[in-house]
Amino acid sequence: NAGVTQTPKFRILKIGQSMTLQCTQDMNHNYMYWYRQDPGMGLKLIYYSVGAGITDKGEVPNGYNVSRSTTEDFPLRLELAAPSQTSVYFCASSRDRGYEQYFGPGTRLTVT
Amino acid sequence: RKEVEQDPGPFNVPEGATVAFNCTYSNSASQSFFWYRQDCRKEPKLLMSVYSSGNEDGRFTAQLNRASQYISLLIRDSKLSDSATYLCVVNKDRGSTLGRLYFGRGTQLTVWP
Repeated sequence: NAGVTQTPKFRILKIGQSMTLQCTQDMNHNYMYWYRQDPGMGLKLIYYSVGAGITDKGEVPNGYNVSRSTTEDFPLRLELAAPSQTSVYFCASSRDRGYEQYFGPGTRLTVT
Repeated sequence: RKEVEQDPGPFNVPEGATVAFNCTYSNSASQSFFWYRQDCRKEPKLLMSVYSSGNEDGRFTAQLNRASQYISLLIRDSKLSDSATYLCVVNKDRGSTLGRLYFGRGTQLTVWP
C-alpha cells in the first residue's frame, strides 16, 4: 500500500513553460486535494475533487487546472509558469469529507 | 479572522521537558480536529485526531475545549525526534459539500540535548 505518490520530486521550469504534476493514491479515496506551501507559510488549497469527473476550485486556483478521470489519479496542470508559482506542491486524499487527509511527499517547483 | 490560529513559536526545549501548544479556531460549527506533524521539507503527517473527551497516544495528549474554541497538544518527556512543526487542523463543517480542512501555519518545536 503506497498511499499517495507524487511525481516529479523536483522540477525547474522557465517562465512561460507548462508542466503536469502527477498524483496517484491507492487507498480508494474519493476525495483528493492539491495544496501549495510557500516557505514559512501554511497550506493553501488550490483545487479539490470529490470523485472521478468532479473537481472544484480552492482558494488559490489561478494559473492551475486539474482533471479527475479515475479515482486514483488527480494531475495538476500548470500553464504558462510564473515565478509566483515557485512553491512546494502537496497532493492529499481522504476517504470522505472532513476526515483526516493523507499527503504525498510533495513536488518542489522552481520557476525562473 | 483566520479559521485556525497558532502561536508560530519557535519553542526550544531540552530533552525530557513537557511542552504544550494551543490553537484557536473561529467556527463554532467545526466538527473534526487533528494535529499533524511536518518535518523540515517533508509532507504533513497525521499525528492524532482530537476527540471531545480528549485523547492520549503515548507521550502525546490532545484536548478540545469547544466552549472556548481551542485545541491543545501536550508532549511529555520530549525526545530529539519530536523536533518538527506541529499543525493544528480543523474541519469547518463535515456536513458541507466539501467539509474542507483548514490548516494552521504551524508551531515550530526544537528539542535540544
